Parts: sequence; structure tokens; C-alpha cells
Amino acid sequence: AQSVTQLGSHVSVSEGALVLLRCNYSSSVPPYLFWYVQYPNQGLQLLLKYTSAATLVKGINGFEAEFKKSETSFHLTKPSAHMSDAAEYFCAVKGTDKLIFGTGTRLQVFP
Amino acid sequence: DAGVIQSPRHEVTEMGQEVTLRCKPISGHNSLFWYRQTMMRGLELLIYFNNNVPIDDSGMPEDRFSAKMPNASFSTLKIQPSEPRDSAVYFCASSSRGVSHEQYFGPGTRLTVT
Repeated sequence: AQSVTQLGSHVSVSEGALVLLRCNYSSSVPPYLFWYVQYPNQGLQLLLKYTSAATLVKGINGFEAEFKKSETSFHLTKPSAHMSDAAEYFCAVKGTDKLIFGTGTRLQVFP
Repeated sequence: DAGVIQSPRHEVTEMGQEVTLRCKPISGHNSLFWYRQTMMRGLELLIYFNNNVPIDDSGMPEDRFSAKMPNASFSTLKIQPSEPRDSAVYFCASSSRGVSHEQYFGPGTRLTVT
């Protein structure tokens, strides 16, 4: 069965600093992986997805994630945080007919 | 495209009342998902449909909850009778059964049961 684990329920960074949100997956088949973002009082929005093409995936708002099979990881990064990046981020893996979501990581950005 | 549409956006009701949440998926999508989000339990999948047929309802909390999808463009989630612990944000999402199964979420319905 597929699963994802997000390390760290809260991450705080200063504006302009590197953002690193961690996600490890477990899958018996080559995985399809996703990062979603949820801004306050809104639904989830797709940031990026990995579907077995390039291992470095670029998404919206300057985010990217790298698929590392050897580490079973799909960490989300952004070189320079902006105040508007403050949100909750969810990693997900494709299961049978549905997505399996992680527990989420809340990102705080300080000026 | 208008995206996934949910109504109402906010619902306040008294304990014991029936509540009906509505969802219109993106046209052409054949999978529909209902989620519940709370601070305590995070994001939970309640039920999902493929081609209007319920596939997995193991996440439905109890018999007070029911969901229907009478056609490809409409679904309801009903709670009868409602209880204060049902207070949450309920999301509907849809996807096409393609390779990636990317899901598109609606804005959610914030339910408060007093």
C-alpha cells in the first residue's frame, strides 16, 4: 500500500530564506507524487506533480521538488521564501483510484 | 472552467437538524471525492465515486452520514441528525481517471453545528 510521511508539522523561516519541506513515501509500484498548498480559508491547490518523467519537477510560485528513489523522498523547496508562501502544504501519493495525503506542514514566514 | 463548485460556503445549524452539502464537479471529470478537515484530525477522505458509483465509503464516520451522486454533474453529502462534533470544513474534489489522478478541490463548506 502507498503512504506518505511529512516530517515536521510546522516549519518557520525568515523572508528570503530557503524553504525545505520534507516528504517521504512508501510505494510498491513506481509512485506518482504530488504537493498541494492550502492558503487560509481556501481549498487545496496543486503545486506540482511527479509522474515518472524528470526527477526535478518545477511547480507554481517558484517551488520545485526532487524525486529521489534511493531515499524514497520527494522534498519541496523554494530558494527564497516570501510572506505570501505562508500556508499549509500537503504531500500526496497516488493510491488505487485516490490520493493518499500526508498530515500537512504549516509554513510560517517571518519578516 | 468554473472549477469545482460547492454550496453553501457556510452553514450554521442546530444539533439534530439535517444538513445537506452540495458539489458540482468539473465537467468531464469522472471521479468525485468528499473530504472533511478539522484541526484535530486533519484532512480525511470520507467517500469517493467513480462514474457516479460509490467505490469506497470506509471513511464515512457513521450512519448519520450519507452521500449520493445521481449524475455526473452533482453530488450531495447529507448529515442527519447533525451533532456538534460534525463541525468542520467539508471539501469536494474531482479528477479525471487519467494517469496522474490530479484532484481539483472546491472552496469548501464550513459547517458549524451548535
